[in-house]
Amino acid sequence: DVKVTQSSRYLVKRTGEKVFLECVQDMDHENMFWYRQDPGLGLRLIYFSYDVKMKEKGDIPEGYSVSREKKERFSLILESASTNQTSMYLCASTDPRGDGNEQFFGPGTRLTVL
Amino acid sequence: RKEVEQDPGPFNVPEGATVAFNCTYSNSASQSFFWYRQDCRKEPKLLMSVYSSGNEDGRFTAQLNRASQYISLLIRDSKLSDSATYLCVLNTGGFKTIFGAGTRLFVKA
Repeated sequence: DVKVTQSSRYLVKRTGEKVFLECVQDMDHENMFWYRQDPGLGLRLIYFSYDVKMKEKGDIPEGYSVSREKKERFSLILESASTNQTSMYLCASTDPRGDGNEQFFGPGTRLTVL
Repeated sequence: RKEVEQDPGPFNVPEGATVAFNCTYSNSASQSFFWYRQDCRKEPKLLMSVYSSGNEDGRFTAQLNRASQYISLLIRDSKLSDSATYLCVLNTGGFKTIFGAGTRLFVKA
């Protein structure tokens, strides 16, 4: 089974803090994604990566950055956390060599910024 | 207009009922369509893909109508364990996957 893990289930940070969210997948997937999920808005894509050291902006990249130094790991960084970044953050991966369409999600990190 | 629109519900149905969800999309270039299921406080998981010819998986039937730009999910003989949020998902090609906000279903004994 594909396994996607995220470093924390719950995080509480203060406004202005730098926040790191880590995601690791163990199935050698090429593509990795970061989403945030808010009530009534669904999942919105923040950034994605299709290879090591490659990254592309999604629909809402402002206030975020990412890092992919190794294939299995994709990190989301909030440079200076703000209260409007309080959300559920979900990491996902896909394998374009197979069907390529199914997204495998991690359990999510619920971030609260005070 | 949102790219994917779903009735948020909630749908409250008794066990054994048949329930149907619809989802409309605005991008006619959308190529692939899916239903995902998300349990409370859990991550989304693929329930089934949706094909033009329609497809069935046990009690679940999915349909795609490209002309009217909507997809549907029918659940027959609802079980308590079907209680979840159902996400309509489409892919417009490449890396672009769009998720609907979801429809909440509660199945009651």
